[in-house]
Amino acid sequence: AQSVTQPDIHITVSEGASLELRCNYSYGATPYLFWYVQSPGQGLQLLLKYFSGDTLVQGIKGFEAEFKRSQSSFNLRKPSVHWSDAAEYFCAVAAVTGGFKTIFGAGTRLFVKA
Amino acid sequence: NAGVMQNPRHLVRRRGQEARLRCSPMKGHSHVYWYRQLPEEGLKFMVYLQKENIIDESGMPKERFSAEFPKEGPSILRIQQVVRGDSAAYFCASSPRQGIGSYNEQFFGPGTRLTVL
Repeated sequence: AQSVTQPDIHITVSEGASLELRCNYSYGATPYLFWYVQSPGQGLQLLLKYFSGDTLVQGIKGFEAEFKRSQSSFNLRKPSVHWSDAAEYFCAVAAVTGGFKTIFGAGTRLFVKA
Repeated sequence: NAGVMQNPRHLVRRRGQEARLRCSPMKGHSHVYWYRQLPEEGLKFMVYLQKENIIDESGMPKERFSAEFPKEGPSILRIQQVVRGDSAAYFCASSPRQGIGSYNEQFFGPGTRLTVL
């Protein structure tokens, strides 16, 4: 069965510092991978996605993620965090053989300090 | 092209009442998915529907919950005799037709926040 693990429940970084949010997935074949961001009380916004091709994926708001098949990881990065990036971040995986449903990680809450 | 629409955005019900959540997919999308997000948790898959057909309801609670996607009109997630534990955000997503060996991205709506008093 597919699963997604986000090992960090919450992370605090200083404004201007770099950020890396970890995501590990479990799936036998090539998955479709996503990162979403959710501000309190809001819906999901898609940051980026990986379907195939280049394993380094660029997204919106200066985010990028790298797919590493050997490590079953899809970590999200940003070189310089802004206070407005404080939110909850969800990694997700979807698969054809999984019935097309999207499996979400538990989320990582990002706090940004001045 | 309007995105996925959900209404109401906020819904308050007393214990024992019924809750009806509506989802209008994006134009041209024939597949709808419902997800539930409990407080402080990630989204959990509930059900996957095509027009007039439930494809996968493996995530639906066995009692009180039902979903439909009629030929005309929005998809409806219905919760009968709500309890406090049903308080959550319910998200709908839609996609174009899914094909064998291919995957079409799901687009999420803004969610309906259900509060049970």
